[in-house]
Amino acid sequence: ETGVTQSPTHLIKTRGQQVTLRCSSQSGHNTVSWYQQALGQGPQFIFQYYREEENGRGNFPPRFSGLQFPNYSSELNVNALELDDSALYLCASSSSGGVYYGYTFGSGTRLTVV
Amino acid sequence: AQKITQTQPGMFVQEKEAVTLDCTYDTSDPSYGLFWYKQPSSGEMIFLIYQGSYDQQNATEGRYSLNFQKARKSANLVISASQLGDSAMYFCAMREVSGGSNYKLTFGKGTLLTVNP
Repeated sequence: ETGVTQSPTHLIKTRGQQVTLRCSSQSGHNTVSWYQQALGQGPQFIFQYYREEENGRGNFPPRFSGLQFPNYSSELNVNALELDDSALYLCASSSSGGVYYGYTFGSGTRLTVV
Repeated sequence: AQKITQTQPGMFVQEKEAVTLDCTYDTSDPSYGLFWYKQPSSGEMIFLIYQGSYDQQNATEGRYSLNFQKARKSANLVISASQLGDSAMYFCAMREVSGGSNYKLTFGKGTLLTVNP
């Protein structure tokens, strides 16, 4: 059973550029969530995808968008990058149904915007 | 208002001793779940322990136990017999079940635990 894989691990972008981060969910998991973790803070929920549809969103502007594919992998896209977008981006997968939702996190993508 | 409060930015403990990391939460939802995660410097969030709001017993997982006091809205993590490898950031998180939206974890700001030899 593989865990959650994120790519790339590190990325440096220039302000105003666009970036795509990728996530492969754990086998058997059909739900993917994305979190932004600024330095010294706890992760903040960006959005969640279930069966290729966004079914929840945090307080992030529309320039943060995503996709989920039929194999449940996912992408996070950020347009018009700002310096404050510099953070660790974490992907978490889970399976729907049941009281306990086990969230498995990847190691994250560390994005630096200069 | 903060939903998850971790009041200890940093904690120190001697190897082999026990340590308690504090977490209080705020919700009006009767059904919720509480999680503790460990985040080493590599960045990955490692699941440690889970407590459901309706669980009668405090959760335990090996050296980790959760001291769940529902009336006080607290969910403190107890690590027994600390090891050097326990040095990391620890996050308390809550999942609220509301209107069928079984999603999103709300995290606290974390506690940096340092285990001294």
